[in-house]
Amino acid sequence: DIQMTQSPSSLSASVGDRVTITCRASQDISTYLNWYQQKPGKAPRVLIYAASTLQSGVPSRFSGSGSGTDFTLTISSLQPEDLAAYFCQQTYTPPLTFGGGTKVEI
Amino acid sequence: QVQLVESGGGVVQPGRSLRLSCAASGFTFNSYGMHWVRQAPGKGLDWLAVISYDGSTTHYADSVKGRFTISRDNSRNTVFLQVNSLRAEDTAVYYCARRKAVSGLGLEYLDYWGQGTLVTVSS
Repeated sequence: DIQMTQSPSSLSASVGDRVTITCRASQDISTYLNWYQQKPGKAPRVLIYAASTLQSGVPSRFSGSGSGTDFTLTISSLQPEDLAAYFCQQTYTPPLTFGGGTKVEI
Repeated sequence: QVQLVESGGGVVQPGRSLRLSCAASGFTFNSYGMHWVRQAPGKGLDWLAVISYDGSTTHYADSVKGRFTISRDNSRNTVFLQVNSLRAEDTAVYYCARRKAVSGLGLEYLDYWGQGTLVTVSS
């Protein structure tokens, strides 16, 4: 199985800060990498798919990059409503594993 | 609009079984694969299973293979997760989600999620 390792597991930042979350795959997954946001008490929603494609309706301050084994989710200017947990997921091959998550505090 | 509504959760004793359901509406159900994902209290997301649009192909997480079974009834726009031999560590919110394929590229993501159904395994 492909293991997905996210870092950091949590972070605290201020409004307006640039925030970067990383995700590392245990093997090459090309760009088969998605990012999800989960706000407290809510279901997850997709932010980025195929490593760098912004899902419709997602604010442009979110961006994704990377390929192979190393990926990054960036929030260019953190907003109060970005308080959430963020998860990466590989869809290169089943089982479609998630990273452990990053909790973002404002 | 797309809606996914899970049901069937509850409190169940260890070793017992449950069948979770996910009723879909607002889209052509028989054109989409469907996933189940769970989340233990205070923990991360745990992918469980996926079924193809016609039910012909399924895949499972190693941790549930042989105990959980995903199935679907396209006439009822519903996907199911049969969960057997439940253990305390199966306590979680169980979500269904729609599989969105990125055409021509073999990529996919989970584009719509239900609100989840809570399963608590306790004696």
